[in-house]
Amino acid sequence: QTVVTQEPSFSVSPGGTVTLTCGLSSGSVSSSYYPSWYQQTPGQAPRTLIYSTNTRSSGVPDRFSGSILGNKAALTITGAQADDDSDYYCVLYMGSGLVFGGGTKLTVL
Amino acid sequence: QVQMVESGGGLVKPGGSLRLSCAASGFTFSDYYMSWIRQAPGKGLEWLSYISNSGSTIHDADSVKGRFTVSRDNARNSLYLQMNSLRAEDTAVYYCARYWGTTHFDPWGQGTLVTVSS
Repeated sequence: QTVVTQEPSFSVSPGGTVTLTCGLSSGSVSSSYYPSWYQQTPGQAPRTLIYSTNTRSSGVPDRFSGSILGNKAALTITGAQADDDSDYYCVLYMGSGLVFGGGTKLTVL
Repeated sequence: QVQMVESGGGLVKPGGSLRLSCAASGFTFSDYYMSWIRQAPGKGLEWLSYISNSGSTIHDADSVKGRFTVSRDNARNSLYLQMNSLRAEDTAVYYCARYWGTTHFDPWGQGTLVTVSS
C-alpha cells in the first residue's frame, strides 16, 4: 500500500521561510494527485489552506503557497508568524480513495 | 454562515454500533457532496468516505468498507455515518466536511468523539 510521507517535524524562526513536503513511498507526486494542505491547531478542526496543488482557500494569506517541487507536493510559508505554529496535513487523491499524510508539526521559534 | 455540527459520539463497547449525525446549515445541502474524516487521539487524519449530493454515489476507504455506511437526508440537511462492529482502533474524533471533489474539504465540523472500550 502506498504511503503518503511528510516530515514529522520542522522548525522555523519568526519571519523566516519554510517548505513542507508531501511525497509518496513509491512514485512521484504530480498535480494529477490534486494535493491539498490543511492546518490544524490543538483541539480545533482542520482548516483548508491550499487545494488542487496551488489554489489558496478563501481568506488564507498569500504567504501560504502550494506547488510541486521535484517529485513532491510542497507547502511554502513565507514570513512565518507565531500563529503558524500548527500541524499541517497534506492529502492526495488516489484511484482507490483519498490518503492523508502523517502530518508535520511546525514549530515557530 | 456555512456550518456543520456533528453529534452522536460517545462510549461504546467493542462490537457495538453507533450512528453519527452531521447537521448542515448556511448552504444548499442537496447541491454538495459530503465526507467523513476521522482522527485517532494524537494521530493524523484518515479519510473514511464520501457521498454524492443525491446519495447515489458512495466511496468508502478500505479500512471501513463493510462496517461503516454513509448516508444522507437532504430534506433534513443531514449526513449520517452508521458504524457497526466497532473496534478499539475506531476510537477517534469524527469530522464531517463539505466535499468539493478530489482532495478539497471545506469547511469542517468541530467533530464528535467516539470511544470504543469495554
